[in-house]
Amino acid sequence: SQQGEEDPQALSIQEGENATMNCSYKTSINNLQWYRQNSGRGLVHLILIRSNEREKHSGRLRVTLDTSKKSSSLLITASRAADTASYFCATAGYLRAGSYQLTFGKGTKLSVIP
Amino acid sequence: DSGVTQTPKHLITATGQRVTLRCSPRSGDLSVYWYQQSLDQGLQFLIHYYNGEERAKGNILERFSAQQFPDLHSELNLSSLELGDSALYFCASSPRTGVVSGELFFGEGSRLTVL
Repeated sequence: SQQGEEDPQALSIQEGENATMNCSYKTSINNLQWYRQNSGRGLVHLILIRSNEREKHSGRLRVTLDTSKKSSSLLITASRAADTASYFCATAGYLRAGSYQLTFGKGTKLSVIP
Repeated sequence: DSGVTQTPKHLITATGQRVTLRCSPRSGDLSVYWYQQSLDQGLQFLIHYYNGEERAKGNILERFSAQQFPDLHSELNLSSLELGDSALYFCASSPRTGVVSGELFFGEGSRLTVL
């Protein structure tokens, strides 16, 4: 079952514009991670934000986390054609003793038009 | 390059058959995770091994099994294959027991097509 739900499912923007993707989840989490996947390739980790953090930056990426609303957003500033990919949020939640599970949403497909 | 190696990259087989997917984690990583990615179900967690021991099971069918060997590589065995098993199967590794501390490193996946 999917815990994270990304919104929108697809996003098309012009190069240079900012892209914002949102993620909502249902249960308590230890951390939330964002991954990128180029078509048919493996997932690449972008950024991790812990449940006690509210905002985190990495290069052109900004992630926010609102645990009261169980939501997160990923902002990509000054987008480039190379940012075209699917973006997934993944929530790390407690599964049972000794194990946490990383549960992925269905992703947002971002197209950046040159 | 994540350092996680998966073989084969592509596999075409028939219904009812059995296949084995192989994963070599990053050097030094003790945890191996298997995920299935399909268009309708998205990314589904299958199973997690840590240093040879099964740690957690997700949505893994009884027809599927996995193991992690002493050299830390892992194999996912899929048997009595059905058309619906066609998917991308990803292996991911991490140095720790779980995802509390950090990220997973994903391989490029094995694309299984069942005809």
